[in-house]
Amino acid sequence: DAGITQSPRHKVTETGTPVTLRCHQTENHRYMYWYRQDPGHGLRLIHYSYGVKDTDKGEVSDGYSVSRSKTEDFLLTLESATSSQTSVYFCAISADVGGDGYTFGSGTRLTVV
Amino acid sequence: SQKIEQNSEALNIQEGKTATLTCNYTNYSPAYLQWYRQDPGRGPVFLLLIRENEKEKRKERLKVTFDTTLKQSLFHITASQPADSATYLCALSNTDKLIFGTGTRLQVFP
Repeated sequence: DAGITQSPRHKVTETGTPVTLRCHQTENHRYMYWYRQDPGHGLRLIHYSYGVKDTDKGEVSDGYSVSRSKTEDFLLTLESATSSQTSVYFCAISADVGGDGYTFGSGTRLTVV
Repeated sequence: SQKIEQNSEALNIQEGKTATLTCNYTNYSPAYLQWYRQDPGRGPVFLLLIRENEKEKRKERLKVTFDTTLKQSLFHITASQPADSATYLCALSNTDKLIFGTGTRLQVFP
């Protein structure tokens, strides 16, 4: 998607290893979000950021941490990956609250074996 | 707890007809509601936003209604086409983060 890229697109990792997913935007948007999408659960918010170094938890934040040291980058880290974290992870950006909708990245498919 | 319900059963309609998708919510008072389209293997794409003080919003063949008394939004696609086949997600918010429903898959056949 224009203005937002996620890396890697696919990753297979072993249980217990740390994993970092990257979201990069070129839109200079204030808000950035990490969601996971699983069958039957839809999109669930993990963490979000409302500015550089300003982050907050979502509904499924256990086992995840985030960092935002620059406006354009928002990192999601699984400190010690578990099989329950196998999912598709989406990053999203928005300029403000209640204005235009979110722009989503193409997703990262993570498999924990 | 907050709950957003979308019909999990796929909606199958014939090309040219109007597709109507439903989004119901409970234990929530959203300031605005959004609809997204998602194709397999892709991220959701924003379609429309409607605020709590708006009853209806239109964009080309799309129309969204928002009834805060019924706690329901309806999403209509008129003159549907096979290219409209996708999963449609509704999302609500009254803060700086969106809560999503699980989506309804729409299949438009010729």
